[in-house]
Amino acid sequence: QVQLVQSGAEVKKPGASVKVSCKASGYTFTSYGISWVRQAPGQGLEWMGWISAYNGNTNYAQKLQGRVTMTTDTSTSTAYMELRSLRSDDTAVYYCARDGRFVVVPAALDYWGQGTLVTVSS
Amino acid sequence: EIVMTQSPATLSVSPGERATLSCRASQSVSSNLAWYQQKPGQAPRLLIYGASTRATGIPARFSGSGSGTEFTLTISSLQSEDFAVYYCQQYNNWPRAFGGGTKVEIK
Repeated sequence: QVQLVQSGAEVKKPGASVKVSCKASGYTFTSYGISWVRQAPGQGLEWMGWISAYNGNTNYAQKLQGRVTMTTDTSTSTAYMELRSLRSDDTAVYYCARDGRFVVVPAALDYWGQGTLVTVSS
Repeated sequence: EIVMTQSPATLSVSPGERATLSCRASQSVSSNLAWYQQKPGQAPRLLIYGASTRATGIPARFSGSGSGTEFTLTISSLQSEDFAVYYCQQYNNWPRAFGGGTKVEIK
């Protein structure tokens, strides 16, 4: 069965960086992409960006451009999301979700990781 | 950038009743619209994609309709496990965008 298992909770100070992992199993990793979505406490869902596990193409939310980098390691079927220059309003649960593999092919997010709580506090 | 607007923000419904949730896109997203259900402390779950196709394992009481800019999620007879927050999401254009959510609560 398809599973996305994320790394554990993190506590970071303002200005630091965080890197969250998302290990996929139960499907051919390079046949899909991964989107990252975050949810601040008590708030809605915010799409952060997408990476193709097929060719490494990315598409990031404009508000995060320059602070976020998404990568994949196809040898371990793992996706990573790194967010730099953390601020208090980056405190959120971060989710990875399976997406399409090509930028021109629309796809819904059909499987989700369990979420990783990132807390930014001095 | 496409903006997704959901209404109402909160819907109070009795078990067994029908619930109708709305989602509007600021420009056409064709049929590239998904609905997700989220319960407290859980990740979202895909319910509907392609505006009207139920995802694997989703009960038939969930149905989606619409195209272009206006979409509806209908839950025909609410069960206790259906009380949750529902989000729509467009995946026709970049950046992807979610609506603000509709909380379906027990009346």
